[in-house]
Amino acid sequence: EAGVVQSPRYKIIEKKQPVAFWCNPISGHNTLYWYLQNLGQGPELLIRYENEEAVDDSQLPKDRFSAERLKGVDSTLKIQPAELGDSAVYLCASSLDGAGQGIQYFGAGTRLSVL
Amino acid sequence: KNQVEQSPQSLIILEGKNCTLQCNYTVSPFSNLRWYKQDTGRGPVSLTIMTFSENTKSNGRYTATLDADTKQSSLHITASQLSDSASYICVVQYGGSQGNLIFGKGTKLSVKP
Repeated sequence: EAGVVQSPRYKIIEKKQPVAFWCNPISGHNTLYWYLQNLGQGPELLIRYENEEAVDDSQLPKDRFSAERLKGVDSTLKIQPAELGDSAVYLCASSLDGAGQGIQYFGAGTRLSVL
Repeated sequence: KNQVEQSPQSLIILEGKNCTLQCNYTVSPFSNLRWYKQDTGRGPVSLTIMTFSENTKSNGRYTATLDADTKQSSLHITASQLSDSASYICVVQYGGSQGNLIFGKGTKLSVKP
């Protein structure tokens, strides 16, 4: 069974450019998460989906970040425009039954460098 | 303020030795505590999950303990291997079964031959 798939693995852009990350969760997992991880830090939640619904986006900087999960399967996270401080690893995770007791399975992440 | 603090920040040990990583948390209401292993350039992988009523859980050479009274957890690694070199992240879920997770900054473990 395939794990959580993210693409691209690496992205280098200039500041003020847009960028998008894609995530395909494990088949059958209803809950999808996007995290941001800075170097030497633990992941920080950006947004959590239950199927198509964003149930927690309180930490998502909505002036420049947006996300969608239109069919309740794969998801896209977008930044427009990117700033230097957005350089980080963006992790996607999925779980079977919500944050409850479910194990979160993480993708390998997309490492973003904003120049 | 809900916080998860880990120590040490980094650790170097020789292959075959044991080590123990620490996690202190000030999270309420507590739901469960998780340990993750994160290899360089990879996403975190779950090692253990413990609820309030569990005080120890093992996964191979990894044994996690939980003292809910003192709000402390430890991860003990037995007979370390080179492949154990990674960051180990303590994560606490709060606010009930649908609550969010708070991640610690991790302990970076290096196992040397």
